[in-house]
Amino acid sequence: DVKVTQSSRYLVKRTGEKVFLECVQDMDHENMFWYRQDPGLGLRLIYFSYDVKMKEKGDIPEGYSVSREKKERFSLILESASTNQTSMYLCASRLTLLDGELFFGEGSRLTVL
Amino acid sequence: QQQVKQSPQSLIVQKGGISIINCAYENTAFDYFPWYQQFPGKGPALLIAIRPDVSEKKEGRFTISFNKSAKQFSLHIMDSQPGDSATYFCAARRDYKLSFGAGTTVTVRA
Repeated sequence: DVKVTQSSRYLVKRTGEKVFLECVQDMDHENMFWYRQDPGLGLRLIYFSYDVKMKEKGDIPEGYSVSREKKERFSLILESASTNQTSMYLCASRLTLLDGELFFGEGSRLTVL
Repeated sequence: QQQVKQSPQSLIVQKGGISIINCAYENTAFDYFPWYQQFPGKGPALLIAIRPDVSEKKEGRFTISFNKSAKQFSLHIMDSQPGDSATYFCAARRDYKLSFGAGTTVTVRA
């Protein structure tokens, strides 16, 4: 079974703090994604990485950055957290660009006070 | 701006009934249309998917109907069961990136 693990299920941070969300996949997938899930808005793509050290902006990259130093690990970074970044963050992976199926982690719920 | 518009936001159906969720899109460059199912506390998981050269795809009690000319597609859940209670997301892929609809929460009453 493909496993995508998000290390932090729940986080509470203060405005202005730097936040790291970590994601690890164990199936040697090339592509990894960070989505943000908000009620009524569905899942919105923040960043996408199609290979190690390669990244591409999604639909809502402002206020976020990413790092992919190893194939299995994709980190989302909030340089200076703001209250409007309170949300559920979902990491996903996919075998290659040609594949359709995304495999999601269980999510990291971030609250910024 | 949502590239894939999904409706309804929520629906309640009796056990054994049919659940229908609709999605519409504008961008004709989309080349793959999956549906994801999400249970509370879990990440979404692929349920069923269709490509635009096919008008219908069925897997068990789940059917996707695809209307290319109308730029619409829908998910039908036949003989709905309480275990189908979940949030369903339609999606469309372009340039290897998926855009998701807003989601539909389905509640199946026993």
